[in-house]
Amino acid sequence: QVQFVQSGAEVKEPGASVRVSCKASGYTFTNFAIHWVRQAPGQRLAWMGRINTAQGNTKYSEKFQGRVTFTRDTSATTAYMELSSLTSEDTAVYYCAMDLQNYSDAFDIWGQGTLVTVSS
Amino acid sequence: EIVMTQSPATLSVSPGDRVTLSCRASQSFSSNLAWYQQKPGQAPRLLIYGASTRATGIPARFSGSESGTEFTLTISSLQSEDFAVYFCQQYHNWPYTFGQGTKLEIK
Repeated sequence: QVQFVQSGAEVKEPGASVRVSCKASGYTFTNFAIHWVRQAPGQRLAWMGRINTAQGNTKYSEKFQGRVTFTRDTSATTAYMELSSLTSEDTAVYYCAMDLQNYSDAFDIWGQGTLVTVSS
Repeated sequence: EIVMTQSPATLSVSPGDRVTLSCRASQSFSSNLAWYQQKPGQAPRLLIYGASTRATGIPARFSGSESGTEFTLTISSLQSEDFAVYFCQQYHNWPYTFGQGTKLEIK
């Protein structure tokens, strides 16, 4: 079945960077874009952007522009999200998500989430 | 950016109740609206896309509708497994944006 398996929880100090991976299986990896969404405590879900897994081109939310980088490894069918210059406000659960059924970007496939804690 | 505003923040309801959740958009767009259900410790689960179409495997008690900038999720007869937080999301324009959520709690 189609699934995303994300990397484990991370604890980072302020100013550091974090990289979260999203291993995809059960479908042709390059046929669908992968999006990243985060959920900070007490905050609404925030769309961070997306990566075209075939060509590698990206679209970032302005909120994260300049601090976030999406990459992918097609041979490993894995997408990555790297966020730099971390502050306590980046403490959140980070999800990868995808529209598998062609719902025009309603996300029917989600990873299990990766908790990133930023603390000194 | 399109701002999505959900109401109410919390709804105290009983099993068997008919429940209506609202989501208002700050600007008009057509149909590119999804509803998700999220339980503690889990990722969101897609319920409705295109404002009114149930995703695969979603029970018929869930329905969605739209009227101008107002979107509504209705649960016709609440089941025990429906107590959760519900989010709306617009995917009409980047950045995609979510509402702040409505929590259904047991009365």
